[in-house]
Amino acid sequence: ETGVTQTPRHLVMGMTNKKSLKCEQHLGHNAMYWYKQSAKKPLELMFVYNFKEQTENNSVPSRFSPECPNSSHLFLHLHTLQPEDSALYLCASEPRGRSTGELFFGEGSRLTVL
Amino acid sequence: AQKVTQAQTEISVVEKEDVTLDCVYETRDTTYYLFWYKQPPSGELVFLIRRNSFDEQNEISGRYSWNFQKSTSSFNFTITASQVVDSAVYFCALSDVYNTDKLIFGTGTRLQVFP
Repeated sequence: ETGVTQTPRHLVMGMTNKKSLKCEQHLGHNAMYWYKQSAKKPLELMFVYNFKEQTENNSVPSRFSPECPNSSHLFLHLHTLQPEDSALYLCASEPRGRSTGELFFGEGSRLTVL
Repeated sequence: AQKVTQAQTEISVVEKEDVTLDCVYETRDTTYYLFWYKQPPSGELVFLIRRNSFDEQNEISGRYSWNFQKSTSSFNFTITASQVVDSAVYFCALSDVYNTDKLIFGTGTRLQVFP
C-alpha cells in the first residue's frame, strides 16, 4: 500500500475510444503529478497540479486532458489516442510547502492503444 | 540543458555480490539535487535518497551507499551483499533546487539478483 492508488491498473483501448485514468492519494499531499513511462525512455513529466491548480503542462498533446477536482484526486482523460501513447502512466504526489522532490508514486496504469 | 545518463541498461548478479549502478549527470546549475528511485516489479517508484550539490559527503544507509563526485558529475549507487529483493529498476534523477517539480530522470538500470 503506497498511499497513492491508481485505477485501472490495465487498460486496452482503440484509437477512437474515450477513457479516463484515476489517481487518488491518501497522504494529505497538495501536489500531484502525471508521468509517462515508455520502454527505454526516461520518465516524462506530463502535468503538475499544486493545490488543484495546474502549474505545469510539459507540451503534452491535447488528446491527454488532466483534471484535478481536489487535492486528493487526479484524472487523466484520454481520447483519440495513438499507438505510440501505449505506456505506463504513473501518478505521484508530494506534500507542498516543502519542495523536496520526494515523490510518492502509485503503481501505474498500463495503457495499450490498438 | 539538464541530462541524466545511466549507461548500464541491465545488470545481473548473484546474491551476496556487491553491485554499483552508475549515474552521470549534466547541468549548468550551480545548485541542484540528485536522487535515486527504485521501481520494483509492482510498478511504483520508491524514493531512496536526495543529495544536495553542496554536500559531497558519501552516504551509507544499511546495505546502500552513494558516492557523489562533483568533479566527474557522477552519483553512483552501490548495493552491498545484494539480495533477491533488490531486483528492480533503479532511476537516477536531477532537479533544480528551486523547482523540484521538474525531475529529470535517466533511463534506468534494471538489476536482477539471482539466488
